[in-house]
Amino acid sequence: DVQLLESGGGLVQPGGSLRLSCGASRFTLGGHAMSWVRQAPGKGLDWVSTINTSGRSSYYADSVKGRFTLSRDISKNTLYLQMNSLRAEDTAVYYCAARTLVTSWAFDIWGQGTVVTVSS
Amino acid sequence: QSALTQPPSASGSPGQSLTISCTGSSGDVGTYNYVSWYQQHPGKAPKLMIYEVTKRPSGVPDRFSGSKSGNTASLTVSGLQAEDEADYYCSSSAGSNNLVFGGGTSVTVL
Repeated sequence: DVQLLESGGGLVQPGGSLRLSCGASRFTLGGHAMSWVRQAPGKGLDWVSTINTSGRSSYYADSVKGRFTLSRDISKNTLYLQMNSLRAEDTAVYYCAARTLVTSWAFDIWGQGTVVTVSS
Repeated sequence: QSALTQPPSASGSPGQSLTISCTGSSGDVGTYNYVSWYQQHPGKAPKLMIYEVTKRPSGVPDRFSGSKSGNTASLTVSGLQAEDEADYYCSSSAGSNNLVFGGGTSVTVL
């Protein structure tokens, strides 16, 4: 089965940085749009960022623009989310998601998530 | 971008049909046919159930169907089953490379 596996979550102080990784098994990141979606404790889903199929463009929610950077390393088949200037409201489970269907803005493959806690 | 509006909860008996609404605006649901629905069981990752308003990914039962009228999209679950008890989220393209989710609906099978 295709699998996405997130890592890099943890506890970080406000203002700190963290880099999340999303590795893929039996799936090639290149050629697919990849995204991060987060879910704060007890809350709903919240789109964070997407990198397009070519990898040349990344898009961000207003709430993270200027603080988060999405990138991918095709050679390592890994997606990264660099998170800087973290705030308490960034506390959430962060899911890596892929679009393999011929469509836009629909995520048909998801990882199990990695927990980010921003607290002093 | 504002979240799409969903009822917080919905319920139905086994075998019944249940419809969940997702209300947006002319800036998202009303303009774009990139409306998706996700099912999420407690402690699990979301699962795509519907995309492009009405399309079902392979493996999703045809009991699940989607529709849209104006600024409101809907997910209908026919022949409700116990395993359908979960949280459901809608999402829509909001233009300018933005995506917005609904607040989620908790479905209870009575």
